[in-house]
Amino acid sequence: GNSVTQMEGPVTLSEEAFLTINCTYTATGYPSLFWYVQYPGEGLQLLLKATKADDKGSNKGFEATYRKETTSFHLEKGSVQVSDSAVYFCALNEGGTSYGKLTFGQGTILTVHP
Amino acid sequence: EPEVTQTPSHQVTQMGQEVILRCVPISNHLYFYWYRQILGQKVEFLVSFYNNEISEKSEIFDDQFSVERPDGSNFTLKIRSTKLEDSAMYFCASRAPRGSYNEQFFGPGTRLTVL
Repeated sequence: GNSVTQMEGPVTLSEEAFLTINCTYTATGYPSLFWYVQYPGEGLQLLLKATKADDKGSNKGFEATYRKETTSFHLEKGSVQVSDSAVYFCALNEGGTSYGKLTFGQGTILTVHP
Repeated sequence: EPEVTQTPSHQVTQMGQEVILRCVPISNHLYFYWYRQILGQKVEFLVSFYNNEISEKSEIFDDQFSVERPDGSNFTLKIRSTKLEDSAMYFCASRAPRGSYNEQFFGPGTRLTVL
C-alpha cells in the first residue's frame, strides 16, 4: 500500500536559518504530493502541491520538488521566521483515485526561535 | 473565504457511550472525508463519502463507525460505543468536484477524549 515517511522531529532552528524537512514515499501509480501545515489550535492547511514528476510546488517561501527517481518531496525554505513554527505533514494522493484519500506522514514539529 | 467548520471543538465521553461529531463542509464541495490523529501519531484516513454513500473506508472504520449527510449541509461521524482507543483528534475535510484541483480543505478538528 501507499506510505509516506518524514524525517523525525522536532526540528528547532533560529530565525533566518535554512530549513529542510525530508519526505519520501511509496506508492503505486502516479501520486500527487502535498505539504500541509498545522498551526497551533488550527486545522490542516495546504502549503503546496505537485502533481507530476519534476513539478516544483511553492508558497510563502517554501518549495518542494517532486522527484520520481528518488521518490522524494523534500520541503525547503531559505530563511525561516518565528511565524513558521508549526507541524508540517507530507501527504500523497494516489493519482487516478476518484475519491482522493490522502496518506500522511507522521508530521514534523518545527520550532523557530528569534 | 469559505471554510470547513467542526463542532464541538472538544468532546469528553465515557467509554461505551455514543458520540456524534459534526462537520459543515464548504458548500459547493461534493467529496467529504474523516481523518483522525491519535496523539503523537500520524493523521489516518477513516472514510470518504460521495454521492450520499461511502466511497472508501479504512480498516479502522469498523461497524462502530458510521457517517451521514442528513440535510445537505452537515456531515457527521458517529461512534456507537466508544472505546478508550478512540481518543484522538478527528478532522473533517471536503473537496470540490472531480476534475478540479484535488485539494482537500480541513476543519480545525474535534478532540475526542474517552474516559
